[in-house]
Amino acid sequence: DAGITQSPRHKVTETGTPVTLRCHQTENHRYMYWYRQDPGHGLRLIHYSYGVKDTDKGEVSDGYSVSRSKTEDFLLTLESATSSQTSVYFCAIAPGVGTDTQYFGPGTRLTVL
Amino acid sequence: AQSVTQLGSHVSVSEGALVLLRCNYSSSVPPYLFWYVQYPNQGLQLLLKYTTGATLVKGINGFEAEFKKSETSFHLTKPSAHMSDAAEYFCAVRGNSGGSNYKLTFGKGTLLTVNP
Repeated sequence: DAGITQSPRHKVTETGTPVTLRCHQTENHRYMYWYRQDPGHGLRLIHYSYGVKDTDKGEVSDGYSVSRSKTEDFLLTLESATSSQTSVYFCAIAPGVGTDTQYFGPGTRLTVL
Repeated sequence: AQSVTQLGSHVSVSEGALVLLRCNYSSSVPPYLFWYVQYPNQGLQLLLKYTTGATLVKGINGFEAEFKKSETSFHLTKPSAHMSDAAEYFCAVRGNSGGSNYKLTFGKGTLLTVNP
């Protein structure tokens, strides 16, 4: 399995509070992605990174920001959490060459009350 | 632009029966196609992928999928279902160039139930 960890694995927070989720990889892969998974919607891309300090928006980026100061870490921040951001968040990594495959972390279950 | 349609949000089969999960895609460039499986409370695991070459692709756990360009389909099959196959399955597509930033577009998933 690809070396991807996510922290925390579970979090309950209140509306209006800031939340940061961390994705850590040991594969030295160039690309990192944040998805959210909701019933009936599959996985939707929030933000992704194609290198240190290089990030871009996905299809559901409103209310989220990201940072990548090191190859191995990709942070997802909810500046002011809302109940609509209750979801399961997955990080994925990809080497960024060739046919390429995305490998997924175990997920973080976030509940916003 | 790319999109994926998975026909049937829930498929139920008997143990030992054929599994057929349907996936149709839309892509403006030749696609790379993927099937992932998600077991309860776990992340996604790659089952198989089509990039180029042979259109019939074999994956893990006895699954296979066939790329049919004329039908824009990439259906997943397994001849004989096992109880351990119960999971959610996701089809995904991306363009075959680095300019796509290797982004995947996922279908909404198909939940497979296997009955004893």
